Amino acid sequence: NAGVTQTPKFQVLKTGQSMTLQCAQDMNHNSMYWYRQDPGMGLRLIYYSASEGTTDKGEVPNGYNVSRLNKREFSLRLESAAPSQTSVYFCASSGDRFSYEQYFGPGTRLTVT
Amino acid sequence: GQQVMQIPQYQHVQEGEDFTTYCNSSTTLSNIQWYKQRPGGHPVFLIQLVKSGEVKKQKRLTFQFGEAKKNSSLHITATQTTDVGTYFCAGPSSGYALNFGKGTSLLVTP
Repeated sequence: NAGVTQTPKFQVLKTGQSMTLQCAQDMNHNSMYWYRQDPGMGLRLIYYSASEGTTDKGEVPNGYNVSRLNKREFSLRLESAAPSQTSVYFCASSGDRFSYEQYFGPGTRLTVT
Repeated sequence: GQQVMQIPQYQHVQEGEDFTTYCNSSTTLSNIQWYKQRPGGHPVFLIQLVKSGEVKKQKRLTFQFGEAKKNSSLHITATQTTDVGTYFCAGPSSGYALNFGKGTSLLVTP
């Protein structure tokens, strides 16, 4: 039982390049989330998927797109990376409708130069 | 979703001293969660509080939810070096998403 996995762990991009961050969970959770973490800013929600087939914008969605590929997988795409997107990206999932407890992946550290 | 404010931003204590972080919301929260993130790690769920005035303990950690369900606190008694990290509170947002506070970073000096 791996929990929430994310790939890659580290990535360096040049401005304008695109990439997809992958996330998968093996806990049969319905809901999945993408956050970014910047120093002093806490965790900010980018997009979330309450259930398979649905996605919704969070607090900071500009410059990102997401795909809920199936119940297990939720990907985050940067179409044209900008230096302001340098951050640590965390994927999380939750499954119990009586608890908001979220399980986080190990994170992807992205640098855009 | 509700915004949650967390203070202090940083706290540096000597090992054995107590530590408290506070979380405040301008609106009533249906529940509040606390997470811990070790340096270089990912957030890990600690606890969820749901009831007005609720107090829960986990060993040296005591969590409280205010009577008005607008504030919460985490108190650590006799800190240890293993307590180092950033502590986040989080309130519910749309769907099952969460609004996280900016966190309190705790440094413990031996």
